[in-house]
Amino acid sequence: ETGVTQSPTHLIKTRGQQVTLRCSSQSGHNTVSWYQQALGQGPQFIFQYYREEENGRGNFPPRFSGLQFPNYSSELNVNALELDDSALYLCASRGHQETQYFGPGTRLLVL
Amino acid sequence: GQSLEQPSEVTAVEGAIVQINCTYQTSGFYGLSWYQQHDGGAPTFLSYNALDGLEETGRFSSFLSRSDSYGYLLLQELQMKDSASYFCAVNQAGTALIFGKGTTLSVSS
Repeated sequence: ETGVTQSPTHLIKTRGQQVTLRCSSQSGHNTVSWYQQALGQGPQFIFQYYREEENGRGNFPPRFSGLQFPNYSSELNVNALELDDSALYLCASRGHQETQYFGPGTRLLVL
Repeated sequence: GQSLEQPSEVTAVEGAIVQINCTYQTSGFYGLSWYQQHDGGAPTFLSYNALDGLEETGRFSSFLSRSDSYGYLLLQELQMKDSASYFCAVNQAGTALIFGKGTTLSVSS
């Protein structure tokens, strides 16, 4: 049990739609990262937020965006969904140590 | 570019010892982490090496050689519950974890 929660657990959308995924980090963890994990692959870094500011981004287009709130919650928004966006989306929170604590993920299916 | 290489599959029997190797080529290297992920579950932190040498945590040990861009995870006294995917991941200072594609470990009785 990492203390990181995500909602919803599963989601089905159609191409072109928009989706918002939510994460609640461990209390006191100021850094949250989002990852996309396709089936059979390792997680791929999307972006990271520190104290409500984006401070790192992976190789994902601008239609992937995020927000972090003062209450240790955060959102991942994806616009104009594509079939290849179907994946497990993971958030991870980190305090001052290097260890990242992952939530259980949201499994997104785009039809 | 950035890449991490690890074997795709490893099989072993209960009680055995298994070593999962990882070589990496990345920028901004800060340390090497190992995560375990069971089917349908979240990645769980196992160990972290920032300096060369061996780190031991119970049945699991991890090694890093920065000069060789190489590390490994050693699992001893294997149990059935150790069947899972294992990922090495490079910690980039202040930001992302860059993950390998993972090694599926199957432990049989």
